[in-house]
Amino acid sequence: DVKVTQSSRYLVKRTGEKVFLECVQDMDHENMFWYRQDPGLGLRLIYFSYDVKMKEKGDIPEGYSVSREKKERFSLILESASTNQTSMYLCASRSQDPGLQETQYFGPGTRLLVL
Amino acid sequence: DQQVKQNSPSLSVQEGRISILNCDYTNSMFDYFLWYKKYPAEGPTFLISISSIKDKNEDGRFTVFLNKSAKHLSLHIVPSQPGDSAVYFCAASEGWYGNKLVFGAGTILRVKS
Repeated sequence: DVKVTQSSRYLVKRTGEKVFLECVQDMDHENMFWYRQDPGLGLRLIYFSYDVKMKEKGDIPEGYSVSREKKERFSLILESASTNQTSMYLCASRSQDPGLQETQYFGPGTRLLVL
Repeated sequence: DQQVKQNSPSLSVQEGRISILNCDYTNSMFDYFLWYKKYPAEGPTFLISISSIKDKNEDGRFTVFLNKSAKHLSLHIVPSQPGDSAVYFCAASEGWYGNKLVFGAGTILRVKS
């Protein structure tokens, strides 16, 4: 079974703080993703990574950065948290193997509140 | 502009009846479509998918129908069970191996017993 874990289920931060959200997968997947989920908007892609040290912007990268130093770990960084970044953050991973018709596997999410 | 739209925010169905969740898309380059189910406090889990070369895919109680000319897909759940109560997200990508999934806003399904 694929397991994607996220470091925190709930976080409360102050405006201007630097926030780190960590995601770890145990299936040796090449691709990893960060989404945020907001009511009425569904899941929106922030960044994704297709290999170690590789990253690409998703649809809403402003105010975020990412780090992928090891294959199993993908971090989302809010350089200076703002109240409009209050959201549910979801990490996902997927195999790059063309022989596998793989879907994305999601972690349980981190609910972030920025005050 | 949302490329994948789920116009019904919620749906309530009696146990044992059919649930039909709808999804429309605007990008004609999308050719692979997925449905995910999400329970509160959990991440979305993959439910069923369909490639644009098909118009129907079935997996147990779940069937997805694709109408390419109308850019519309639907998820049918028969019979509906209380455990199906969740948020259902429609998603689309360019190619089944597309890295970027574009999600709809989700539909909350409530199955009443």
